[in-house]
Amino acid sequence: NAGVTQTPKFQVLKTGQSMTLQCAQDMNHEYMSWYRQDPGMGLRLIHYSVGAGITDQGEVPNGYNVSRSTTEDFPLRLLSAAPSQTSVYFCASSALARGASKETQYFGPGTRLLVL
Amino acid sequence: KNEVEQSPQNLTAQEGEFITINCSYSVGISALHWLQQHPGGGIVSLFMLSSGKKKHGRLIATINIQEKHSSLHITASHPRDSAVYICAAYGSARQLTFGSGTQLTVLP
Repeated sequence: NAGVTQTPKFQVLKTGQSMTLQCAQDMNHEYMSWYRQDPGMGLRLIHYSVGAGITDQGEVPNGYNVSRSTTEDFPLRLLSAAPSQTSVYFCASSALARGASKETQYFGPGTRLLVL
Repeated sequence: KNEVEQSPQNLTAQEGEFITINCSYSVGISALHWLQQHPGGGIVSLFMLSSGKKKHGRLIATINIQEKHSSLHITASHPRDSAVYICAAYGSARQLTFGSGTQLTVLP
């Protein structure tokens, strides 16, 4: 199993550009999520999904869109990049237990994004 | 909103020392996770617990639901344990709330 994969590993964008961060998992996990990690702060939830066709907002959703057309893939779209979106982005997945993501979390390797 | 506080923020220890990292949360939760972030940035799950205690090798995690507190202990610490340790609480909103992490450095 490849686990959780993310692409690209590193990206530089100019303000106003759009891009998609890719995330895929091969463990048939229902729950997938996107986090951003900024210096001195904990990981913050951007969006999450509990299954194909179902997405919901997390703590910091503004400026980001997601979709979940398959169980395996959960892309994160930056609509119009801003310097405040410079961060490290992590995708994670887990199984669901009784509708809750209480199970072990599996993280991707992260994407470092720099917005100039 | 569930707040998760970790202490200490930074910890330096000598090889062989017993280490404790603390995590407190503000509201009721159904599970608490301990994660390790390697110097290269990768994050791995160490424990997920909802009561009592779990042990894996030299790592022990405990949780006291009534006191809303969890601890991660490392026995006989080693330089390879140097990493950021993160606790995360899973509450009723089906979301994980993360602490800001504890940077552990173990000196040889």
